[in-house]
Amino acid sequence: EDKVVQSPLSLVVHEGDTVTLNCSYEVTNFRSLLWYKQEKKAPTFLFMLTSSGIEKKSGRLSSILDKKELFSILNITATQTGDSAVYLCAVEATGTASKLTFGTGTRLQVTL
Amino acid sequence: NAGVTQTPKFRVLKTGQSMTLLCAQDMNHEYMYWYRQDPGMGLRLIHYSVGEGTTAKGEVPDGYNVSRLKKQNFLLGLESAAPSQTSVYFCATKRGATEAFFGQGTRLTVV
Repeated sequence: EDKVVQSPLSLVVHEGDTVTLNCSYEVTNFRSLLWYKQEKKAPTFLFMLTSSGIEKKSGRLSSILDKKELFSILNITATQTGDSAVYLCAVEATGTASKLTFGTGTRLQVTL
Repeated sequence: NAGVTQTPKFRVLKTGQSMTLLCAQDMNHEYMYWYRQDPGMGLRLIHYSVGEGTTAKGEVPDGYNVSRLKKQNFLLGLESAAPSQTSVYFCATKRGATEAFFGQGTRLTVV
């Protein structure tokens, strides 16, 4: 059974801080790892990583995948209150109808 | 272009009542999924479909049924609601090995 573990479960930081969110996984026939941001409603897509060691970057957010050690990190620099959300990590295996297995998420709160 | 639309957005049911949640997509995606999200549990897959006329069970299928009579619609049914089915339900669609797109969710309370 595929498994995704995220840490920490929750985090409170001050605006301007840098945060690192962790995601480790166990999956047979790994295809990709995805990060989503969830505010009050639907999760919104951030990154998809398929190759190890390649960094995906979008503004202040970046993510890297380590396929050997089976984990990914999501970094947010110069955090803003608008970054407050639950960050979800998910993995997809090949041959599984592209189903995603999600972790429980990390709740990030950015305070002034 | 609405993307993924779920109806209703909120519902309160009494134990034993039935209801159907509708997911409609206009992105022409083959794959559709129903997830439930509970505090501390993340998103768990209930049922999914890889195309019109096909459905399959996910991780937590008990108490739910689904149908995909048209490519753009995926229905989730609760035949006899139980308090344990109180949750937020999300529909998602994918075009193969790409990111999933989510609807806005349905908050269901069973009393």
